[in-house]
Amino acid sequence: NAGVTQTPKFQVLKTGQSMTLQCAQDMNHEYMSWYRQDPGMGLRLIHYSVGAGITDQGEVPNGYNVSRSTTEDFPLRLLSAAPSQTSVYFCASSSAGDRTGELFFGEGSRLTVL
Amino acid sequence: RKEVEQDPGPFNVPEGATVAFNCTYSNSASQSFFWYRQDCRKEPKLLMSVYSSGNEDGRFTAQLNRASQYISLLIRDSKLSDSATYLCVVPFSGGYNKLIFGAGTRLAVHP
Repeated sequence: NAGVTQTPKFQVLKTGQSMTLQCAQDMNHEYMSWYRQDPGMGLRLIHYSVGAGITDQGEVPNGYNVSRSTTEDFPLRLLSAAPSQTSVYFCASSSAGDRTGELFFGEGSRLTVL
Repeated sequence: RKEVEQDPGPFNVPEGATVAFNCTYSNSASQSFFWYRQDCRKEPKLLMSVYSSGNEDGRFTAQLNRASQYISLLIRDSKLSDSATYLCVVPFSGGYNKLIFGAGTRLAVHP
């Protein structure tokens, strides 16, 4: 039961470097999203996708790109890392018609930008 | 006003106590609400969904007050294992998948 898998779990970057956080789910969920979690601020939505080929911005999209070429994968790209992007990143998925509000989260990726 | 506001706590309670958390939301059109639980350094997981006036699941009761735009979570007979952060969650308008998370209320249950 893999569920939602995120890699890497930990990453340290220097300012200006780029990287991709990987997210894959094996539940055939249409909906996938990326959140960041900072102390005292809760989870904030970065980008989301309602299906392959469709993406949209959330609350805090600046500095991040996403793509959704397959149902399973939803990578998050940091174009030029900044210290303000130091955070814990969570990928989540759910069935598009699910009204229970249940998002299935990955274990998180802890990113530090120096 | 933030879309979802919670008292950050921490709430420090002894085992067996009853504890309640409140959460206020700004979008009066919201129809459904959720409580998630997050253990330290772990991912959030759905605890309860609330669609009408409330929901009960064992020791946990969630209640909704639409007029005052708040939801509450009541935990009875607290266990050590209840120690966690409880996140109040409201959908963005128009969907059940895009969720707005409150900053969370931390609960610490001690022996």
